[in-house]
Amino acid sequence: EADIYQTPRYLVIGTGKKITLECSQTMGHDKMYWYQQDPGMELHLIHYSYGVNSTEKGDLSSESTVSRIRTEHFPLTLESARPSHTSQYLCASSGGQRDFQSTDTQYFGPGTRLTVL
Amino acid sequence: KNQVEQSPQSLIILEGKNCTLQCNYTVSPFSNLRWYKQDTGRGPVSLTIMTFSENTKSNGRYTATLDADTKQSSLHITASQLSDSASYICVVSDRGSTLGRLYFGRGTQLTVWP
Repeated sequence: EADIYQTPRYLVIGTGKKITLECSQTMGHDKMYWYQQDPGMELHLIHYSYGVNSTEKGDLSSESTVSRIRTEHFPLTLESARPSHTSQYLCASSGGQRDFQSTDTQYFGPGTRLTVL
Repeated sequence: KNQVEQSPQSLIILEGKNCTLQCNYTVSPFSNLRWYKQDTGRGPVSLTIMTFSENTKSNGRYTATLDADTKQSSLHITASQLSDSASYICVVSDRGSTLGRLYFGRGTQLTVWP
């Protein structure tokens, strides 16, 4: 079992609310990622980070933002949630060299299931 | 276009039986291929990883094969157990740019019945 944690596990909120999804890992990994996954669909990368003070947008356009102030912590924020944001959000981390995603295995958290009404 | 296609989309088998899941990819240049297991409501967990030179890799009752020439991989599960019920995701990595990236399949949903 990987040492990567996400809170909350489930969240139901109303439209327009600001939310932050928490992700923490205790493995000392430099690289961290956020994915979005809808039922029966593939994972889509929305944000990633090489390390502290490094954040990049992924392949899937997202209205969310991320920060990386500490190595172990990679929170994702939605300033104004909408029903289109309803999805499962998965956080992952990996170690190794700066060859992003290529060879080192990503360890995933349990996910946050977000429902926006 | 780099893609990963998995089949079947879903599969139901009886406990104790074997099964094989398929993955076809068009990712190029190829770096490695991983199989992940994702239990319902959980994050994916890595089962195997294979590079270009490897054509088989085992992890307990799971055996993955890779044919880099035909760009096909399979995951064979032996003597299935109820706990094998999950989605199995094929993930391919490329080295086509300064940043390698991952391409995810949609997964095969396996259900094992008693």
